Amino acid sequence: AQSVTQLDSQVPVFEEAPVELRCNYSSSVSVYLFWYVQYPNQGLQLLLKYLSGSTLVKGINGFEAEFNKSQTSFHLRKPSVHISDTAEYFCAVSDMSGGATNKLIFGTGTLLAVQP
Amino acid sequence: DAGITQSPRHKVTETGTPVTLRCHQTENHRYMYWYRQDPGHGLRLIHYSYGVKDTDKGEVSDGYSVSRSKTEDFLLTLESATSSQTSVYFCAIRLAASNTGELFFGEGSRLTVL
Repeated sequence: AQSVTQLDSQVPVFEEAPVELRCNYSSSVSVYLFWYVQYPNQGLQLLLKYLSGSTLVKGINGFEAEFNKSQTSFHLRKPSVHISDTAEYFCAVSDMSGGATNKLIFGTGTLLAVQP
Repeated sequence: DAGITQSPRHKVTETGTPVTLRCHQTENHRYMYWYRQDPGHGLRLIHYSYGVKDTDKGEVSDGYSVSRSKTEDFLLTLESATSSQTSVYFCAIRLAASNTGELFFGEGSRLTVL
């Protein structure tokens, strides 16, 4: 079984500063990795995903994440945040060998609070 | 938005009453999911469906049942609502061509059980 750990429940940051949201996972098999974003009172929207290939993945809104297999991490980064990036961010993992019944397992989320 | 509509979007009910949440999709997707979102827990899978009349349990299925009598509708029922079921419920679909687990979510249904 897989699990996801997001140690930071909330990350405050000033506008135009860089930010990193941490995600670590646990799995005995190879995995697919995802970051979703949830703006207030909305559903979840896919930010980026790692399926295979290059370990640096670029997503929407200037975000990127790097897959590190040895550290079992998939940290999300943005070099300069905007007020509009204020949202909750969820890291998620699924089993690469899960096939048709593959299910997505989520972390507990990190609230990114961008201050002016 | 993958053509997903959840109803009702907001509901307040009393302990012990039955509640049904509906997820409707317009694009004939085979796989549908119900998650609940709670502070400190992220999203947890309640039930999922892999076809008409084909459903299975997730990690937090106790107290919930589901039905899928036609492709476009996936219903989540709380037979006797409890305060611990106060939550935001999300429906999601998965594209049939994808085995990566990637999901597309609805806007959510906020349920308050008094």
